[in-house]
Amino acid sequence: GQQLNQSPQSMFIQEGEDVSMNCTSSSIFNTWLWYKQDPGEGPVLLIALYKAGELTSNGRLTAQFGITRKDSFLNISASIPSDVGIYFCAGQSYNTDKLIFGTGTRLQVFP
Amino acid sequence: SAVISQKPSRDICQRGTSLTIQCQVDSQVTMMFWYRQQPGQSLTLIATANQGSEATYESGFVIDKFPISRPNLTFSTLTVSNMSPEDSSIYLCSVYPASREQFFGPGTRLTVL
Repeated sequence: GQQLNQSPQSMFIQEGEDVSMNCTSSSIFNTWLWYKQDPGEGPVLLIALYKAGELTSNGRLTAQFGITRKDSFLNISASIPSDVGIYFCAGQSYNTDKLIFGTGTRLQVFP
Repeated sequence: SAVISQKPSRDICQRGTSLTIQCQVDSQVTMMFWYRQQPGQSLTLIATANQGSEATYESGFVIDKFPISRPNLTFSTLTVSNMSPEDSSIYLCSVYPASREQFFGPGTRLTVL
């Protein structure tokens, strides 16, 4: 099925560093969602975005809905070991309840 | 949000057998979905589980291989039929409660030998 391009594919960073990842699509979306998946678990919703240009924060996480509606960004500030996991973006188009998922970014944080 | 449980959490099955996965939600929801996540991959939508009618399958997925039931607004099952090692994946159900966000269950990790 269709997938969104998500980058980077993986990141290895030191505790305390900031992290940025992004997601791009050839299609326009009206909703962008960011999820985190821990090993052996289902994805957990982190941030939801509904308007082009919207910037939303959840603690140390900040996400933006790109102005073109074809991209989104997630930033994590001052990373900690529990940030380790796989981060997925997901986009939703108009008039559908289906989500298209990104390819995922695997984050490793070293103390 | 919604609290979603799945059974079993994991299973190891023999080739050629079938496994039925259950998804239970703590509140009534209109939309329920089933996803597959192959090892090291992202999530791919299998089908939308419709209450009172047949499921709607995505391209590449068929009812004979992945029959789905949705007897009420809080419960659904997905069966993986005539399994092969290529079916080894995590199977996840998700729901849309009253909010605009989609929430996921913990997943069922299936290994086919």
